Amino acid sequence: RKEVEQDPGPFNVPEGATVAFNCTYSNSASQSFFWYRQDCRKEPKLLMSVYSSGNEDGRFTAQLNRASQYISLLIRDSKLSDSATYLCVVTPPPGQNFVFGPGTRLSVLP
Amino acid sequence: DTEVTQTPKHLVMGMTNKKSLKCEQHMGHRAMYWYKQKAKKPPELMFVYSYEKLSINESVPSRFSPECPNSSLLNLHLHALQPEDSALYLCASSQEARSAYEQYFGPGTRLTVT
Repeated sequence: RKEVEQDPGPFNVPEGATVAFNCTYSNSASQSFFWYRQDCRKEPKLLMSVYSSGNEDGRFTAQLNRASQYISLLIRDSKLSDSATYLCVVTPPPGQNFVFGPGTRLSVLP
Repeated sequence: DTEVTQTPKHLVMGMTNKKSLKCEQHMGHRAMYWYKQKAKKPPELMFVYSYEKLSINESVPSRFSPECPNSSLLNLHLHALQPEDSALYLCASSQEARSAYEQYFGPGTRLTVT
C-alpha cells in the first residue's frame, strides 16, 4: 500500500459546484497534514494546513480523521481559478520528510 | 515575504557538463530542501538541510551534489547527468525541519539533459 493515496481524478465540475477530495495515509503515527495546489508547470503552493479540529479558509474546508487515516478538502462555489492539481501532504515519523500524494486534478468549467 | 527564488529558470546541459542550480530565501528559515518532479508526478524529496547541515539524503546518485553555503542559500551541483534526470527541480524552505512547519517552494528550474 502506498504511503499516501488520493482520489485519482480528474474532476471536471461546473463553476459554482461543490467538490470534495479525499486522501488516505498508511502510517498511523503521521504527524502533520497539508493541502497544496499546483498549477500546470508551476511550483506547489500551500493551500492550508489540516488540524485535528478541522479548519476553514473562505470557500475551503479541510478535515482530518485520524481514526480512519484520511484527510479531506472541500471546495465550495468553485471558481475557474480553482483549476489545478491538489496535492495531499503527510509527514510520517520522525517528522522531517514531506510525503506527497499523487495529486488530484481539478478542472472547473464555465 | 514568503518568497523562495531559484536560478536559472531553465537549463539545458549535455551529459558531460557541470552546472549548478541556486536557491535563496530571506525568511530566516533554517531548513531547506531539494525536490525533483517529473511530469504528472508529485515532487520527490532529494535532500534536506537543517541549520546548514545535510540531515537527509534520499539515496540520490552522487552526480547530484548539494551545498549550503549559508542559511539563506542552497546550491545543487550537477555533473555527468543522464537524460532521465531531466525534470523540474524545486527548492523549498521551512522554519525548521520539523513536520509542523509548512514548506514554501521556489518556482523551480526546468532542467533538460541532452
